[in-house]
Parts: sequence; C-alpha cells; structure tokens
Amino acid sequence: DADVTQTPRNRITKTGKRIMLECSQTKGHDRMYWYRQDPGLGLRLIYYSFDVKDINKGEISDGYSVSRQAQAKFSLSLESAIPNQTALYFCATSDPQRQGARLDEQFFGPGTRLTVL
Amino acid sequence: GQNIDQPTEMTATEGAIVQINCTYQTSGFNGLFWYQQHAGEAPTFLSYNVLDGLEEKGRFSSFLSRSKGYSYLLLKELQMKDSASYLCAVRDYGGSQGNLIFGKGTKLSVKP
Repeated sequence: DADVTQTPRNRITKTGKRIMLECSQTKGHDRMYWYRQDPGLGLRLIYYSFDVKDINKGEISDGYSVSRQAQAKFSLSLESAIPNQTALYFCATSDPQRQGARLDEQFFGPGTRLTVL
Repeated sequence: GQNIDQPTEMTATEGAIVQINCTYQTSGFNGLFWYQQHAGEAPTFLSYNVLDGLEEKGRFSSFLSRSKGYSYLLLKELQMKDSASYLCAVRDYGGSQGNLIFGKGTKLSVKP
C-alpha cells in the first residue's frame, strides 16, 4: 500500500545535538512538506519542496534545514537542537497533477515526537 | 494577512449533531480543507470545498461561503470515535504559493 513513513517515531535528545528526521513516500508524489505541531498552535509549515531541485522555506524555517535526496525522500535536520524545538513533526506529500487541478490533498506520515532536553 | 479562526474545544453527545465553524482571511483563496486528527496520530483528509455550497459525504458535510470567508463542518449521528481534533485549512495563493494554512484545530469530545 502506497504510504508516507517517518523515522524515527520518537526521539529524545539533548540541547546542541544534531538531529535528522527522515521521510519516505511510495506515492510517487512530487511535493513534500515538513510541519511541526505544538499544542495550541496548530500545524506550521517549516519547509516544502515541489520537486527534487525546488526547496522553499515555510513559515518557521529558522533553526532547520532540509535535503531532498530523491523524489521519494525528504529529510529535516536540526543542526543544533534547542528545547523549544520539542514538538510533533509531520511529513506530508501531495500531487495536484494526479488528483485533478483543484484538489491538492495532503497525505501525512505518522509523525515524529521529538523531545529536546 | 492570513488568519484562520475556529473554536478551541467543543463537547457533544453521542447520536447528536455538531457544527464546527471556521472563519478565514486570506489574500488568494483557492480552496478549503477539513482534516480529522485523533490524538497523537496524523491528520486525515475529510473534505474539500472550493465553490460555495454544501458538500455531503456520509455523516459528514462541509459548507463554504467565499463572500463571508466562512465554512463549517457538520457531523451527524455522532459516535464516540468522532472524538478528535478537526483542522480547517485554507489553500492560499496570495502569500504562501498555494500551500495550506492550518487553523489551530477544534478538539471535539463526544460523551455518552
């Protein structure tokens, strides 16, 4: 079954450590996204990529970087983690070409719960 | 600017009907989505509106009025499994290149 997967599912780390969160998808979608979700703040976009060579900053990109290694893989890095980056992180994919011009449904991975001590 | 408002929490009784409202302000509206998210899980797609009117899908319906910047999600015959957060999201070509802007979500608790 075509899917969006994220690794790790849970991670506890210390301030200053470098962390990489990985996302893989078998949907064949061109567009991939990284969000973080905090209680009371909803989902906020960190970075997005419309294809392998097109990467863009979202609403809250400071402190994060990304790499689109292939159409199917999109990684999020925290170069030096800090406690206020403790959150639930979601990867998502979409492809409006496959679903009709006006429906851009996003498919979410299961999430990574990151705790920075 | 961009702004999406929805109530933080709602409570309803099993078997009843509940309406979750969403108001939005965007510069380049091009569609509104509703997602359901159970605690600790990924959001899942419920509905999509781009034209004014009502879209019905089983027990769930979604309504859109573009002139009023308003949508609602209507859940009928509530079941305990409907306890979840409901996220309103707007696709905005004005300031966010067509990406989705999410509201903060409405946490619905269904009681017996």
